[in-house]
Amino acid sequence: GQQLNQSPQSMFIQEGEDVSMNCTSSSIFNTWLWYKQEPGEGPVLLIALYKAGELTSNGRLTAQFGITRKDSFLNISASIPSDVGIYFCAGHDSGAGSYQLTFGKGTKLSVIP
Amino acid sequence: DAGVTQSPTHLIKTRGQHVTLRCSPISGHKSVSWYQQVLGQGPQFIFQYYEKEERGRGNFPDRFSARQFPNYSSELNVNALLLGDSALYLCASSNYAGTGLFGRNTIYFGEGSWLTVV
Repeated sequence: GQQLNQSPQSMFIQEGEDVSMNCTSSSIFNTWLWYKQEPGEGPVLLIALYKAGELTSNGRLTAQFGITRKDSFLNISASIPSDVGIYFCAGHDSGAGSYQLTFGKGTKLSVIP
Repeated sequence: DAGVTQSPTHLIKTRGQHVTLRCSPISGHKSVSWYQQVLGQGPQFIFQYYEKEERGRGNFPDRFSARQFPNYSSELNVNALLLGDSALYLCASSNYAGTGLFGRNTIYFGEGSWLTVV
């Protein structure tokens, strides 16, 4: 099945550093969602973006909906050890007529204390 | 309030067997979706149900089927299991009907059911 292009695939950072990851698609989406998944658990919603150009924050997390509607990025500021996990972007196209989210392959984040 | 609940959490099946996975959505949510997540990949859409009607189907064989009950809970059934069906099966809950703009509705996932086929 289709998956979004998410980069980087993995990253190792020092505690306190900022993190940036992004997601691109060949298709236009009306909604972008960012999830975090920890081992043995389901994805947990972090940020939802509903409008091109929208910039939304959730604590130390900031995400933006690209103007072209084909990309999105997520920034984490001042990383801490509990930020460890896999971050997934997901897009939704309401024009597809169904409730299907298309996911990226994930960015695995490791934080070195 | 309880989140999305799924059962069982883990199960092991033999090739050729049948499996039924269950999901209860967040209270008040009428839509349930199912996703398959193979190790190292993002979730892949299988089905969406809203008000007991199928609203979307992903690229999965007919061995996969689902249904939604009047209380909005749902079952995912997989027949004639293959080794490649080993995955985390995720249920997602929302009030989104599946048509038109997404609006401010969003999608919440359960913790999943780990299926191992041997």
